[in-house]
Amino acid sequence: RKEVEQDPGPFNVPEGATVAFNCTYSNSASQSFFWYRQDCRKEPKLLMSVYSSGNEDGRFTAQLNRASQYISLLIRDSKLSDSATYLCVVISSGSARQLTFGSGTQLTVLP
Amino acid sequence: GAGVSQSPSNKVTEKGKDVELRCDPISGHTALYWYRQSLGQGLEFLIYFQGNSAPDKSGLPSDRFSAERTGGSVSTLTIQRTQQEDSAVYLCASTSEGTGPGYEQYFGPGTRLTVT
Repeated sequence: RKEVEQDPGPFNVPEGATVAFNCTYSNSASQSFFWYRQDCRKEPKLLMSVYSSGNEDGRFTAQLNRASQYISLLIRDSKLSDSATYLCVVISSGSARQLTFGSGTQLTVLP
Repeated sequence: GAGVSQSPSNKVTEKGKDVELRCDPISGHTALYWYRQSLGQGLEFLIYFQGNSAPDKSGLPSDRFSAERTGGSVSTLTIQRTQQEDSAVYLCASTSEGTGPGYEQYFGPGTRLTVT
C-alpha cells in the first residue's frame, strides 16, 4: 500500500461546480499535511496547509480526519483557472523529515 | 526575491553517459530536497539535505545516483551511466525549516532529462 494515496481522476467539472478530493495516508504518526497545486509542465506550489480543526482559504476548504487517516480538499464555485493537478503531501517523522507526495488528482474545469 | 533555480532546464544525453544537475536554493534556506517526476506520475523523493547533518539518501534508486551540497547552498545531483528509465523531470526544492512556519517547499522549475 502506498504511503499516500489519491484518486488520480481526472475530474472534469463545469465552471461553478463544487468538487472534493480525498487523500489517505498510511502512517498514523504523520505530523503535517498540505495541498500543493501543479499546473501542466510546471513545478508544484503550495496551495494550503491542512490544520487539525480544518481551514478555509477563500473558495478552498481543507479538512483532516486523523482517526480515518485522510485529508480532503473542497473547491467551491470552481473556475477555469483551477484546472491543475492537486497533490496531497504528508510529513511523517523519521530519521529525517521527509515529505511524501501523493500522485495527484487531475482537475479540469470546463466552460 | 530570487526563487530556486535549476540548470540545465533540459538535458538530452545518450545512454551510458554521466549527467550533473544543479540546484541553487533560496538564500538562507537550510533544507534542500531532490525529487524526480516521471510523466503523469507523482513526485518521488530522492535525497534530503538539512544544514550540516548527514543527508538522507534513502530515496536514491541506485548507486548510480549521488548528490552533494557544497557550503550548505548549491547542490548537484549526479547520475552515472544513465539509463532510459532515468528519463524524468528532476525537481529541487528548498525550505526554511526551523526558522518559522517552515515546511513550505519552494520548487525550482526542474530539469527535464531525456536519455536516448
